[in-house]
Amino acid sequence: GDSVTQMEGPVTLSEEAFLTINCTYTATGYPSLFWYVQYPGEGLQLLLKATKADDKGSNKGFEATYRKETTSFHLEKGSVQVSDSAVYFCALSASGNTPLVFGKGTRLSVIA
Amino acid sequence: GAVVSQHPSRVICKSGTSVKIECRSLDFQATTMFWYRQFPKQSLMLMATSNEGSKATYEQGVEKDKFLINHASLTLSTLTVTSAHPEDSSFYICSARDRTNTGELFFGEGSRLTVL
Repeated sequence: GDSVTQMEGPVTLSEEAFLTINCTYTATGYPSLFWYVQYPGEGLQLLLKATKADDKGSNKGFEATYRKETTSFHLEKGSVQVSDSAVYFCALSASGNTPLVFGKGTRLSVIA
Repeated sequence: GAVVSQHPSRVICKSGTSVKIECRSLDFQATTMFWYRQFPKQSLMLMATSNEGSKATYEQGVEKDKFLINHASLTLSTLTVTSAHPEDSSFYICSARDRTNTGELFFGEGSRLTVL
């Protein structure tokens, strides 16, 4: 079945460092891809998404490009802030009627 | 953006009691809602898919008699944990897809259940 694999954390970075969280997927067809963020004690919030190959999703300085050839959707940010400390989930949706399949999440801690 | 509200956000109950968690879509109609369970430091595990006006579809390994799901209207789904036990303690998150089926899910804030 469909699956998402993302790098295990925790990831600890200093403020203003460059961030990459790897995400690869396995799916039949052409899924939509998502990154969700979960701040401490809160639910999930959509961070960005891409619905077709070569699309780039971006939000709040974060970016991810849908790479069909490598089945990847890596999350990047050029300069992280302490406020970016959270758990990041990569997810896919095979079609409009199916639930999301999540990766295990990557905890990011940014220190000042 | 669209808002999904979950209530209560935290609940503590005694073993053997039942707890109901509500999930409401505040500004859109949701024909489909999904209930997830999140264990500490782990990903979200889909428990069931709730369709308005019909029975929920449960994932393998989820006891439907223990986790009762009702989707009585286009804006409300409820999850009732019956005869709760300490191992049911978890973070439960609902999500809703609007009727236009854009593929985006909107998530509630989550409900943390602690069973003593």
